[in-house]
Parts: sequence; C-alpha cells; structure tokens
Amino acid sequence: DIVMTQSPESLAVSLGERATINCKSSQSVLSSSNNKTYLTWYQHKPGQPPKLLIYWASTREFGVPDRFSGSGSGTDFTLTISSLQAEDVAVYYCQQYYSLWTFGQGTKVEIK
Amino acid sequence: QVQLQESGPGMVKPSETLSLTCTVSGGSISGYYWSWIRQPPGKGLEWIGYIYYSGNTNYNPSLKSRVTMSLDASKNQFSLNLTSVTAADTAAYYCARSKTSSSRSPFEYWGQGTLVTVSS
Repeated sequence: DIVMTQSPESLAVSLGERATINCKSSQSVLSSSNNKTYLTWYQHKPGQPPKLLIYWASTREFGVPDRFSGSGSGTDFTLTISSLQAEDVAVYYCQQYYSLWTFGQGTKVEIK
Repeated sequence: QVQLQESGPGMVKPSETLSLTCTVSGGSISGYYWSWIRQPPGKGLEWIGYIYYSGNTNYNPSLKSRVTMSLDASKNQFSLNLTSVTAADTAAYYCARSKTSSSRSPFEYWGQGTLVTVSS
C-alpha cells in the first residue's frame, strides 16, 4: 500500500493570506511510462461530498478558482491557497491513484 | 450533469450485512469505474473498492474478505455489500465515479453520502 502523510493536521490562516498544505507519499507516484504524477487534491466541507480540486498533481479541475494550485513531484507535494477566502474553510485531502487509491489523513483549514 | 445518490438502511446490526445502492443519473454507467469510499466519524477517507461497467471488481485488501460489489446497467445502479459488520464499520458511505475511463483516475463525481451506523 502507498501511505499518504499530510502536514499539518490543521492550520489557521488570516483572510487573504497564503495557506500551504504538504503531502508525502511512501513511494513515488510518478509513472515512468507516461511521465504523469498520480496525485490529486480534494476539498471536503461538512455535509457535502469531497470536491476534486487538482489532479495530475498540478492540473486544476474546471471551475476551480486559480488561487488553488498544486505542485510537487515524486513523493512530495503541496497544495497552496494563495489568498484564503472564507469559503475555503474545509478539510483538504491528498490522494494517490498510482496504485489503487489511498488518501492522506486530511488537513483542516480555518480562519485565524 | 452526472448525479449519484446512495440509498440503503441507516442502521445495521453487528454481524449482519450492510447493503447500499448507488443510482446514477444524467449519464451512462458504461465506460467508467464506480467506487465506494467511506469516512468514519471524525476520521479520514477510505477507498473500499470499485466495479467497472463490465463487472470487473477490485477491492481494498483490508476489506476484501467482506466486500462484494455488483452492477445493474439496466437500472444505472451499482451496489455494495459488506458482511459481518462491527461498530468500526460505522461511517458515511459515498459512491463515486472515475474522472476518466481509466482505472487510474481520480474521483470526479460523488454522491452526497449516507451515514450507516452499526448498532444493536
């Protein structure tokens, strides 16, 4: 199994400030055959299903605001919210889909 | 717009079988991978397994011995059976669809989720 580890568990950021979430996989999720990175980020708000934000580590899903960006390669990845808005309060999960699917434990983002 | 809706009992007794159905609307069940994911209260997300429209399945190794999935293309539905449940199986259960026709694809569409409590 590929284990996904996120940090921090929670963070509080002022409105308009940057939020950064880290995710580490226990093995590389980069495919050498197609040079694609099988890493995605979801946003999960209470009472709603998770929402796909980023896939292939850095490709923003259609309709996702450009303040959300994903970066990283191999085993280390980052989700950045460049200017936190009130509606961004949620739990964020990274997930690998290189070998079946496993999720990180989640990072709770709150307003400071 | 593709929509998914889970249905089934909200409470199951210990040692019994949890059975849920996901109904897909706004699109065909063909050509995609259909998964079940769960989230115990206060915990993270766990992928349970998938079924392809052809009927091929793949389950999380940690649950494989207790999970069966099936699909009814004529009804645009797929189902989950989880046997011998315990309190540890109490969770919100989500059905979801792959973004592409590849098995190595994130989940693009999700149901709203249904809470299943295991209790006598």
